[in-house]
Amino acid sequence: SQQGEEDPQALSIQEGENATMNCSYKTSINNLQWYRQNSGRGLVHLILIRSNEREKHSGRLRVTLDTSKKSSSLLITASRAADTASYFCATDARTGTYKYIFGTGTRLKVLA
Amino acid sequence: DTEVTQTPKHLVMGMTNKKSLKCEQHMGHRAMYWYKQKAKKPPELMFVYSYEKLSINESVPSRFSPECPNSSLLNLHLHALQPEDSALYLCASSHPGLAGGPYQETQYFGPGTRLLVL
Repeated sequence: SQQGEEDPQALSIQEGENATMNCSYKTSINNLQWYRQNSGRGLVHLILIRSNEREKHSGRLRVTLDTSKKSSSLLITASRAADTASYFCATDARTGTYKYIFGTGTRLKVLA
Repeated sequence: DTEVTQTPKHLVMGMTNKKSLKCEQHMGHRAMYWYKQKAKKPPELMFVYSYEKLSINESVPSRFSPECPNSSLLNLHLHALQPEDSALYLCASSHPGLAGGPYQETQYFGPGTRLLVL
């Protein structure tokens, strides 16, 4: 399976609810980053969390990293219709050399 | 200026055509990247340039030829593409990073070029 697998693949929630998406990876990493992509557009960087950090916040976003479980979660609180997008995690996977690998992504739909 | 620009936005080409994609940034970043993204899939890294030198080629077919003429510009030359090469091509830039390499840094993405090969 892929280095970065995200679940759920798709998530549909009501405006105002919280959205949680998870990313799992297989190899050691130095950092993990979360990106947002609106339909057919470029990616927007959300948060970078380093391997020695456990939690980071940015506005309505909260990211956790558990290196023992090789997993990360992204929480979006008080979601808005504008949060509708695909969300990807990306890791600098140490597989002999460094490789930059994106997860499979979670498609979030926030209903107004 | 935190913008990465890409031209053209859309491109349709035949399998015998030669075309180029262009990417530009003025953030002083010395690492630039090309990604390919198929519909409903994550981006896949193609090439990385660090200080205007090709540092990573992820086993990309030679019909894709990258070029970094200066620290602000990145081109992707296309020749004899196949229909399966149709995709969204994304450019990104970042600081080059220290010992850990460019992947330690935040990447800034352009809006992409949507390519259709007929």
